[in-house]
Amino acid sequence: DAKTTQPPSMDCAEGRAANLPCNHSTISGNEYVYWYRQIHSQGPQYIIHGLKNNETNEMASLIITEDRKSSTLILPHATLRDTAVYYCIVRAYKAAGNKLTFGGGTRVLVKP
Amino acid sequence: DSGVTQTPKHLITATGQRVTLRCSPRSGDLSVYWYQQSLDQGLQFLIQYYNGEERAKGNILERFSAQQFPDLHSELNLSSLELGDSALYFCASSPSTGDAYEQYFGPGTRLTVT
Repeated sequence: DAKTTQPPSMDCAEGRAANLPCNHSTISGNEYVYWYRQIHSQGPQYIIHGLKNNETNEMASLIITEDRKSSTLILPHATLRDTAVYYCIVRAYKAAGNKLTFGGGTRVLVKP
Repeated sequence: DSGVTQTPKHLITATGQRVTLRCSPRSGDLSVYWYQQSLDQGLQFLIQYYNGEERAKGNILERFSAQQFPDLHSELNLSSLELGDSALYFCASSPSTGDAYEQYFGPGTRLTVT
C-alpha cells in the first residue's frame, strides 16, 4: 500500500471548515483513499473513502486531485467533538487480506 | 456505536500470565481484524480472520494467537505476558475481504501488565 504524508497537527476554529491535507504521491490505480479518526483512545471511526471522484457523506467531504497524488478531507462545520487524530490511509484490494496501515495522522484541535 | 463489541474493557494482570480478549463483530460481518495500539508503536495490525479462517498476519508475536468461532466471534489470546504488551487492543469487522469495504472498530480492551 502507498505511503501517506500528513501534517502532524492543526488547529481549527469551531464552526469553521477544517481542511485536512494528505499526500499520497505513490498511489497506484487500484488503491483507495480512506479516512478514519480516533477520538482520545476510542476505537478508530470510519469517515469516508474514495477512488477517483470526490465523495461526500453526512460526516465529511473527500476531495481527490485529478492525478490522485493528494487528497483533502473537509469537515464543513467543525465542532469541539471533532477534536481527534485523523488518519489518511491508502489501501488496495488484496485477496490475501485488507489490513489498514495507520501512520501518525494529524492531530486536530477544534478551538471555541 | 459501531456495532462491534469487545470484552473486557479493562484488564490488569501480571507478567507471565495469559489473558483472552473477546470480540463480537457487527451482525453479518464475516471478517474480523485485531490491532494493537501502544504509545511507542501506534496502531498496528496483528491478524485477520475471515469466516473462521486466518486470512492475513501482521506483526503478531508468537506468544499471541487468535481464532474465529462458527458464530463469527473472535478471541485473541496473549500468553507469557510482558510489560511491553501493555496496550489498547482493538477489534474491527467488515462484511467481506472485498476491495472497498470499510472496517468498523470496537471500543477496545485496555491491557495493563504489571
